[in-house]
Amino acid sequence: DSGVTQTPKHLITATGQRVTLRCSPRSGDLSVYWYQQSLDQGLQFLIQYYNGEERAKGNILERFSAQQFPDLHSELNLSSLELGDSALYFCASSVTPGDTEAFFGQGTRLTVV
Amino acid sequence: SQQGEEDPQALSIQEGENATMNCSYKTSINNLQWYRQNSGRGLVHLILIRSNEREKHSGRLRVTLDTSKKSSSLLITASRAADTASYFCATDPKGYSTLTFGKGTMLLVSP
Repeated sequence: DSGVTQTPKHLITATGQRVTLRCSPRSGDLSVYWYQQSLDQGLQFLIQYYNGEERAKGNILERFSAQQFPDLHSELNLSSLELGDSALYFCASSVTPGDTEAFFGQGTRLTVV
Repeated sequence: SQQGEEDPQALSIQEGENATMNCSYKTSINNLQWYRQNSGRGLVHLILIRSNEREKHSGRLRVTLDTSKKSSSLLITASRAADTASYFCATDPKGYSTLTFGKGTMLLVSP
């Protein structure tokens, strides 16, 4: 158990809908990362937050947004969902945003039908 | 875009044998990390090697890094069936821990 908690574990929704994925980082970790894993794109970095502030952005679509709250949990919002958004979404956390290992949650499997 | 590329894509060995996986990357890095993923589950961090290090050990794992060739290798010695998983290298170009992953090597260890 990495200590990173993601909910829900599975999500099935229709095209055009909006969903929210939730992540609780390890106790004491200030930095949160979101990754997407799909068969065609592999594992891709989406966005990073550190202590409530956006720190770095990767290949995140404009339809996607995220935030980190004062209690350090984070949410990833996916809107206007398309079939191609079906993927595993991982949250990871680390103590600081640099030069250190990241601890991954078990992921949320999103299926868009 | 994928920074790291693992080789081979798949590897099948018997228990007790050694497994070697290679990773090549394109740009300069701050560090390189190896992760393991069991069948669609979360990634588990194995080892981190910094750009000024050439070799690192952790239990049955040995990682090498050649920054001149932009390549790394992961050696798992005396493999076990429980080592069956996908192995990913990930580079951290900026030192922010925003990792760029390769497509992974699927390792199958048969009893």
